[in-house]
Amino acid sequence: GESVGLHLPTLSVQEGDNSIINCAYSNSASDYFIWYKQESGKGPQFIIDIRSNMDKRQGQRVTVLLNKTVKHLSLQIAATQPGDSAVYFCAEIYYNQGGKLIFGQGTELSVKP
Amino acid sequence: EAGVAQSPRYKIIEKRQSVAFWCNPISGHATLYWYQQILGQGPKLLIQFQNNGVVDDSQLPKDRFSAERLKGVDSTLKIQPAKLEDSAVYLCASSRVGGTVNTEAFFGQGTRLTVV
Repeated sequence: GESVGLHLPTLSVQEGDNSIINCAYSNSASDYFIWYKQESGKGPQFIIDIRSNMDKRQGQRVTVLLNKTVKHLSLQIAATQPGDSAVYFCAEIYYNQGGKLIFGQGTELSVKP
Repeated sequence: EAGVAQSPRYKIIEKRQSVAFWCNPISGHATLYWYQQILGQGPKLLIQFQNNGVVDDSQLPKDRFSAERLKGVDSTLKIQPAKLEDSAVYLCASSRVGGTVNTEAFFGQGTRLTVV
C-alpha cells in the first residue's frame, strides 16, 4: 500500500518572537552540522552550518548551538517573520566519506501574524 | 548562477511501469546527490556521485533503482518497475566538491512521483 509519512514535530510562534528548533543526533563522527529550510514545493535551502569542533555560530537573525556532550543541535531564529514558516531540517556531513550529507527529522515552523 | 534543474516536475505512473528523472547540476559542481523524500520525512540519500564515479549508493534499492552520471555532468535516476511505496519527491542536489570544508549543497525543486 501507499507509504504513510511520519508526523512532523511542529512549532507555532507569534510573529516577532524568537524560535528555537531542536535536533538530536547519534553519530559523533560528523564533520559539520547544517540547518536547511524547506518551503512547500521547493527543495531544501542552506541556512547555516557549524563545524563539529565549535559550539556556537551566528548568522543573520540565526544562531546555531552545538552541544556535543548530549549530542544536541539547535537553531535559534530571532524576531521570527511569516516568511520563516517552513520545515527545518538538521543535517550532518561526513568529509571522510566524500561529503556524504545525511538529513535528520524535520520540524515544521508556523508563524502566526 | 543558474540553479539545479530537474525534470519532469510531476509524474504519475502505474505500478510496475518504468520512470526516469533527469538532473542538471550547477556548472562546475563535482558532487551530485539524489534523495528520496517521502511525505512528512527528511530527504533520504539514495546515491552520491563525485564527477562520474559513485561515492555512496548504500541506500539505493538496486533491484529496481539505477542511476548514472555520464561525463560527470547531468544525471538520470531510473525506477523499473515502480512500486506504490516509491511515491515520493525525488530531489537532486549538487555541491562544488565533496570532501572539503564549507561546501554547500544546492537543491533542485524535485520531481514529485505518484505511483497508482
